[in-house]
Amino acid sequence: EIVLTQSPGTLSLSPGEKATLSCRASQSVYNRFLAWYQQKPGQAPRLLIYGASSRATGIPDRFSGSGSGTDFSLIISRLEPEDFAVYYCQHYSGSPWTFGQGTKVEIK
Amino acid sequence: EVHLVESGGGLIQPGGSQRLSCVASGFIVSGNYLTWVRQAPGKGLEWVSIIYSGGQTSYVDSVKGRFTISRDDSTSTLFLQMHSLRVEDTAIYYCAKGKVGAALDSWGQGTLVAVSS
Repeated sequence: EIVLTQSPGTLSLSPGEKATLSCRASQSVYNRFLAWYQQKPGQAPRLLIYGASSRATGIPDRFSGSGSGTDFSLIISRLEPEDFAVYYCQHYSGSPWTFGQGTKVEIK
Repeated sequence: EVHLVESGGGLIQPGGSQRLSCVASGFIVSGNYLTWVRQAPGKGLEWVSIIYSGGQTSYVDSVKGRFTISRDDSTSTLFLQMHSLRVEDTAIYYCAKGKVGAALDSWGQGTLVAVSS
């Protein structure tokens, strides 16, 4: 089983600032099958990034993903008010799929 | 437009059974993989099970032998049959769909399963 560890647990930033979220895997993620999701309170998760760096349909270009092997990042270039939420990474490179524990991006 | 609508949640006693359903629309069910993901109250996301377009299935270890995923292509419905439910199975259960290599691109709104005496 691939264990995904996200850091930091909480990120306190102001609108307009840049957010950098990290996701480290316990073993290499095959074919960069790594996704990022955003979840707001009371809502289902929403896919942001798949294949480590491809934006999902309708996702603004301020969201970008990078990485390979065991180290991945999600960058939000300039935080908008609607971006304050919890973010999860997930691998889908083989069973069992797993999620990271999440990073909460909160307003400073 | 893609829609996924779950139902079947409720309050169940420990050791009981429940079947969740997820009605899909806007896409061809048999051409995608379908998954169940759960989220315990105040906790993170946990992948539970998947059924691939070819019918192969897989489960997280904690539900193996207790949960069964299936789908009915004629009604575009995904199911999760749950037996021997435990308190720790309490969660919102989401169904979600994706294509190989493309992650979970659409999610339902979730259905709450509460296991308690």
